[in-house]
Amino acid sequence: QQQVKQSPQSLIVQKGGISIINCAYENTAFDYFPWYQQFPGKGPALLIAIRPDVSEKKEGRFTISFNKSAKQFSLHIMDSQPGDSATYFCAASMQNSWGKLQFGAGTQVVVTP
Amino acid sequence: DTGVSQDPRHKITKRGQNVTFRCDPISEHNRLYWYRQTLGQGPEFLTYFQNEAQLEKSRLLSDRFSAERPKGSFSTLEIQRTEQGDSAMYLCASSRTSGDEKLFFGSGTQLSVL
Repeated sequence: QQQVKQSPQSLIVQKGGISIINCAYENTAFDYFPWYQQFPGKGPALLIAIRPDVSEKKEGRFTISFNKSAKQFSLHIMDSQPGDSATYFCAASMQNSWGKLQFGAGTQVVVTP
Repeated sequence: DTGVSQDPRHKITKRGQNVTFRCDPISEHNRLYWYRQTLGQGPEFLTYFQNEAQLEKSRLLSDRFSAERPKGSFSTLEIQRTEQGDSAMYLCASSRTSGDEKLFFGSGTQLSVL
C-alpha cells in the first residue's frame, strides 16, 4: 500500500511556464517531506525539503507548499527550463527514521523549448 | 567529496544465480541505505546501516537478500538464487548521522534476471 500518492504521472510544460506536482499522505507521523529529482541513468538527487512546522519553503525556482490539515504538499517549479526535464519524486519519513523514505510513484516532467 | 559509488552499473544474470553489488558511500558518512527501484516507480527502502550495524530491514528483503557493511565503510548487497522479479535498479545512499537529513544516492546497479 503506497503511503504517499503523487500526481500527475506526467506533465508537459512550455519553457517559462509553471510545473505543479501534488502529493498526499495518510500517516500523520510523517514529519519530513523532501522532493527528489532524477535524470535517466542516475540516482535521485535531493532538490528541496520541508518540515510540517512551515507552510512554504522556497529555494530558487523551486517552492514547496505544505498543507498539514489536508495532509498534502506540492512542488512548484517556476520559470521551467528544458534542463528541468526529469522525473520528480515526493517522499516522506518520520523523525526517528528520517532516512527511511516512503516515495511517491514519480512525475515525469517534460519542458518544451 | 566524490559522491556515492556503486559497482557494477549493470548486471545481467540467469535465474538461480547469485549476484553481489558493492556500494562505496561518501567518506565519513555514518549511515548507508539500500533501496530498490522498479521501472515507473519510486525507490523502496530495503535496509540501512549505522556504521557496521544493520539497524533495520524491510519486509521486502526476503531471506535470499543479505547486506553487510563489515568495517563501517563500503557495503555489499547479495541476492542468492535470483528470480525474474528481482530485476530492478538497486540504489545505495549515504548520509551523516541524524541532524543532517540529506540523503545522497549513487547511480545504482541495474539488475536484469533472464
